[in-house]
Amino acid sequence: EAGVAQSPRYKIIEKRQSVAFWCNPISGHATLYWYQQILGQGPKLLIQFQNNGVVDDSQLPKDRFSAERLKGVDSTLKIQPAKLEDSAVYLCASSLEAFGEKLFFGSGTQLSVL
Amino acid sequence: GENVEQHPSTLSVQEGDSAVIKCTYSDSASNYFPWYKQELGKRPQLIIDIRSNVGEKKDQRIAVTLNKTAKHFSLHITETQPEDSAVYFCAALYNFNKFYFGSGTKLNVKP
Repeated sequence: EAGVAQSPRYKIIEKRQSVAFWCNPISGHATLYWYQQILGQGPKLLIQFQNNGVVDDSQLPKDRFSAERLKGVDSTLKIQPAKLEDSAVYLCASSLEAFGEKLFFGSGTQLSVL
Repeated sequence: GENVEQHPSTLSVQEGDSAVIKCTYSDSASNYFPWYKQELGKRPQLIIDIRSNVGEKKDQRIAVTLNKTAKHFSLHITETQPEDSAVYFCAALYNFNKFYFGSGTKLNVKP
């Protein structure tokens, strides 16, 4: 089966600029996650969608980060304005079930904020 | 919430030796514990998992053990090969829908 698709693969921006990431989960997967992975650390959940509704966004810095999942399929994550500490890999993952256990990750977007 | 601690942060072994990575979790409500392997520049991939009603699971050279009483679980890789070199993450599923990840272990298998 096709995997989780993410774009772009790399992005370099200056601080205070905005950036957007895109994710297309595996077809039929109801749950979609955005994780932030800072170098040397494990993935940290930013937001979790169940279809097009938000299940958990408690760790999303809402003053600068936003995410949406229109029509319960693709999702976009936006940062505006970016800060130096936002430099990280942003991973999208999906799972089949509402309380799905097996996460399938995309290749991630590596963001560098200068 | 849940807190997952992972040790060691780096591990270097000789090819053919065994490698063991340990994780502890804080919330007894966690009931599913996957392990992911992440090669440099690539996506994390599930390599083995275990549910809370099982004490041990094995898949060829990889095994995972779970001690619910002590709230820790471990990844065991036997007969390590250079292609096992990667970063390994443990995770705990909390409240049925929240994954908490460990900080990762960089495994280096020396030929």
